[in-house]
Amino acid sequence: GQQLNQSPQSMFIQEGEDVSMNCTSSSIFNTWLWYKQEPGEGPVLLIALYKAGELTSNGRLTAQFGITRKDSFLNISASIPSDVGIYFCAGQSGTYKYIFGTGTRLKVLA
Amino acid sequence: GAVVSQHPSRVICKSGTSVKIECRSLDFQATTMFWYRQFPKQSLMLMATSNEGSKATYEQGVEKDKFLINHASLTLSTLTVTSAHPEDSSFYICSARTGGGGPTYEQYFGPGTRLTVT
Repeated sequence: GQQLNQSPQSMFIQEGEDVSMNCTSSSIFNTWLWYKQEPGEGPVLLIALYKAGELTSNGRLTAQFGITRKDSFLNISASIPSDVGIYFCAGQSGTYKYIFGTGTRLKVLA
Repeated sequence: GAVVSQHPSRVICKSGTSVKIECRSLDFQATTMFWYRQFPKQSLMLMATSNEGSKATYEQGVEKDKFLINHASLTLSTLTVTSAHPEDSSFYICSARTGGGGPTYEQYFGPGTRLTVT
């Protein structure tokens, strides 16, 4: 099935550093969402974006809906050890179905 | 709010048997639920869309006779893996869609079910 390109694939960072990851598509989406998944668990919604250019924050997380509607970015400021996990973007257009990104594995070194 | 549960969390079954997985929206009604499969270190792949009171819509390549989906109420959808084989071993995750169909809705995911077929 179709997947969105997400980068980087994995990141090892020091506690306190900022993190940036992005998701790109060849198609336009009406909604972009960011989820975090921990081992053996289902994804948890972090941020949902509904308008091109929208910038939304959730605590230390900030996400933006790209102006072209073909990309989105997620930033995490001042990372902490519990930020460890896999971050997935998801795009939705037309139907209710989501297309998921390939995931970014984040590891935070204390 | 927007809590989705799945049962069981883990199941081991023998090859050739059938396994039923339940997905429930605990604090909201969900006219649409989704079933995903996730292999190790991979992303979520949509298997089917489950609509309350109607037949599920399956993604290309997913066998509808093997993965039976029933969405009998606004809070419960079930996935039955029939005649399971070892290659069906995977992490199965459901999600439920909130909202009334407008632009501001999200999918909330269950905790997943780890299926191992021996």
